Amino acid sequence: IAGITQAPTSQILAAGRRMTLRCTQDMRHNAMYWYRQDLGLGLRLIHYSNTAGTTGKGEVPDGYSVSRANTDDFPLTLASAVPSQTSVYFCASSAQRDHTDTQYFGPGTRLTVL
Amino acid sequence: GQNIDQPTEMTATEGAIVQINCTYQTSGFNGLFWYQQHAGEAPTFLSYNVLDGLEEKGRFSSFLSRSKGYSYLLLKELQMKDSASYLCAVLGGDYKLSFGAGTTVTVRA
Repeated sequence: IAGITQAPTSQILAAGRRMTLRCTQDMRHNAMYWYRQDLGLGLRLIHYSNTAGTTGKGEVPDGYSVSRANTDDFPLTLASAVPSQTSVYFCASSAQRDHTDTQYFGPGTRLTVL
Repeated sequence: GQNIDQPTEMTATEGAIVQINCTYQTSGFNGLFWYQQHAGEAPTFLSYNVLDGLEEKGRFSSFLSRSKGYSYLLLKELQMKDSASYLCAVLGGDYKLSFGAGTTVTVRA
């Protein structure tokens, strides 16, 4: 089934713990993105990747890191989680490297940091 | 930075028309997207405008005026399933997508 998958669906995490959110797409899209969505603030870009082997910072990158070892996978790591990172995290992908086309979103990961 | 404004909430009756406005002030412009997001689900693409004018796609239409920094999404013949949040997003000069906070539309019978 074509699309984007994210894991886990939800997670409760103690502050200070390390956590990796997984994202995999099977559409062979060049670009991938990580957003967080908080009530009243909309979606905010954390990190992005134009193509395998490259990554860039978005609007709110602090406390997060990403890697893009291949086309399909784009994991997001929280090195030491803090309560302000409680949010819903969406991974997305688009075919074009310059981001001018539609972004397709995964189902999201609901993360709670206590 | 980017500034994207849209109303927080709108309510309309089944079968009616609703217009969701979006104004933006961004550093450069490479297009404007509208996404629909049902509660607890992922956003899904509705429309894309890069040139001025109206784009029609079934019951949904989207309009853009680049000189005014303004767009609207028009939903016609409203159905109960159209109850959702509608997200305005601008692709800025840096080719990064910035989202508004979203407009929650409630359709009543």
